[in-house]
Amino acid sequence: GESVGLHLPTLSVQEGDNSIINCAYSNSASDYFIWYKQESGKGPQFIIDIRSNMDKRQGQRVTVLLNKTVKHLSLQIAATQPGDSAVYFCAESGNAGNMLTFGGGTRLMVKP
Amino acid sequence: DAMVIQNPRYQVTQFGKPVTLSCSQTLNHNVMYWYQQKSSQAPKLLFHYYDKDFNNEADTPDNFQSRRPNTSFCFLDIRSPGLGDAAMYLCATSYNSGNEQFFGPGTRLTVL
Repeated sequence: GESVGLHLPTLSVQEGDNSIINCAYSNSASDYFIWYKQESGKGPQFIIDIRSNMDKRQGQRVTVLLNKTVKHLSLQIAATQPGDSAVYFCAESGNAGNMLTFGGGTRLMVKP
Repeated sequence: DAMVIQNPRYQVTQFGKPVTLSCSQTLNHNVMYWYQQKSSQAPKLLFHYYDKDFNNEADTPDNFQSRRPNTSFCFLDIRSPGLGDAAMYLCATSYNSGNEQFFGPGTRLTVL
């Protein structure tokens, strides 16, 4: 059967609190970054993206911050809801035409 | 309004029995991807098509093959499934390489 997977880092937050999920990348040439949300048994769903010429981008209840100096990306979710419970993956690509490289994922658990 | 459709959602096959997974898209995107995702891991790219050009990842086993007969459809063929091939298989599309990828719901493959 399926091999045992790696243990995902888990962030547990109270409903209504803000969540911050972090991601480090290694390729200094990366110029495009995406956050995906994956609920159990479903495919990854696009949340928000950012290009390297920006350091912050906001969506509905979500904000992505990019720090190119330390190669760090974060996803902030405001007023976290039970429906936000999922695994969150960052992904990056460097230079036009390159494939996305996925980070290891973080499991977000929202306590009611 | 499904954009990336995968069939079947669940597939059970026997050890060594060939199996084909299918993906179709209504987005008219140039690029189609196949990923393998095991429990608690990030999606792992197997290969992708840019239009009719096939691009295999270096570490994708020969056991995995793909066909793209037209813009809309792409197939993943597993010639002789082993127990280690049990996983979720995700299809994704993007307009160009390095752009946001749209994922299908995945096919969960079980190998008996």
